[in-house]
Amino acid sequence: NAGVTQTPKFRVLKTGQSMTLLCAQDMNHEYMYWYRQDPGMGLRLIHYSVGEGTTAKGEVPDGYNVSRLKKQNFLLGLESAAPSQTSVYFCASSQYGVMGVSYEQYFGPGTRLTVT
Amino acid sequence: AQKVTQAQTEISVVEKEDVTLDCVYETRDTTYYLFWYKQPPSGELVFLIRRNSFDEQNEISGRYSWNFQKSTSSFNFTITASQVVDSAVYFCALSEAKNRDDKIIFGKGTRLHILP
Repeated sequence: NAGVTQTPKFRVLKTGQSMTLLCAQDMNHEYMYWYRQDPGMGLRLIHYSVGEGTTAKGEVPDGYNVSRLKKQNFLLGLESAAPSQTSVYFCASSQYGVMGVSYEQYFGPGTRLTVT
Repeated sequence: AQKVTQAQTEISVVEKEDVTLDCVYETRDTTYYLFWYKQPPSGELVFLIRRNSFDEQNEISGRYSWNFQKSTSSFNFTITASQVVDSAVYFCALSEAKNRDDKIIFGKGTRLHILP
């Protein structure tokens, strides 16, 4: 099993350009998440999905959109990139838990994005 | 609201010393889960442990041990006989698991340097 994979690994964008980050998982997990990691800030949740066809906003959703058309894929879009979106982006997935049960998240290798 | 505090931003110890990473959490729920993740210099996030709020038994896994104390809202992580390979950023995280979204809140991390 590949686990969680992310495409691309690195990207440089100019301000105003758009791009889509792809996350794929082969563990049949219900939940998927997008985080950004900035120095000294830890991991901040951008958007997440609790199942195919569903998405929800996290802590820092502005400037990003997501889609979960297939259970195994979770796409993160930047419509008009800004320098403030320079960051490392991590995708994660976890299995479904009944109410009151929470499982660990498995992370992809990350995408390093620079916006100039 | 839930919150995770890792007060130690950076720690340096000499190899073979023991080191404890502190984690203090805040939550109003009685059912919650705590996690530790490791992020080595290569950048990936590695899951280490998951503990639910009803299990206060300490856990030991090789050189790693975890001390969960509900009375002080702490979930501390100790590395015994540290090795250079333990150098990494360590994140503590909390999930309240009350909703289906299963979100996890991360602390800002502690950067651990093991000096040879």
